[in-house]
Amino acid sequence: GNSVTQMEGPVTLSEEAFLTINCTYTATGYPSLFWYVQYPGEGLQLLLKATKADDKGSNKGFEATYRKETTSFHLEKGSVQVSDSAVYFCALTDSGGGADGLTFGKGTHLIIQP
Amino acid sequence: SAVISQKPSRDICQRGTSLTIQCQVDSQVTMMFWYRQQPGQSLTLIATANQGSEATYESGFVIDKFPISRPNLTFSTLTVSNMSPEDSSIYLCSVGYLANYGYTFGSGTRLTVV
Repeated sequence: GNSVTQMEGPVTLSEEAFLTINCTYTATGYPSLFWYVQYPGEGLQLLLKATKADDKGSNKGFEATYRKETTSFHLEKGSVQVSDSAVYFCALTDSGGGADGLTFGKGTHLIIQP
Repeated sequence: SAVISQKPSRDICQRGTSLTIQCQVDSQVTMMFWYRQQPGQSLTLIATANQGSEATYESGFVIDKFPISRPNLTFSTLTVSNMSPEDSSIYLCSVGYLANYGYTFGSGTRLTVV
């Protein structure tokens, strides 16, 4: 079956530091990959997505590239802010996306200190 | 993307009772999904609910425990039956979009069983 493995937190960084949150996956076929963010007290929000190999998703300064050869979709940001403190979830679906439910990783709690 | 209204936002229930969670979408959608997020854990797909057909349950979830209704293209309910403290979780509904491979999530129902 499908699975998503992501680094577990909490991850604590200083403001303006470089961020990487690792995500690797196991799936049949050619999955679509997603990063979701959950800010304190709020619901899940889509951060970015990629639907085929070598696609790069980007949003709000965050980027992730779909690497089929390493089955990875690592999340990066060049300079984090306190407002980026949240829980980040890597997820996949092995349909084109939208037709089947998502398989989530365990989430990474990110804490940015001023 | 659609706006999802999920009710109740939270509830405290006695063991042995049942709770029905409602999910209302502001536009017609084909695919609806129900997830559970246990304390400190990731999201796990419970079932997929399509209008006009029986819900499809994931391994470990059964209809007697989590009956789902999907009477039309904008509404669904999930019932948590004969509750025990182990059912204390956040329950979320989600809709999927085949056109852009995306998903939107409701704000969740925080359930505590005492």
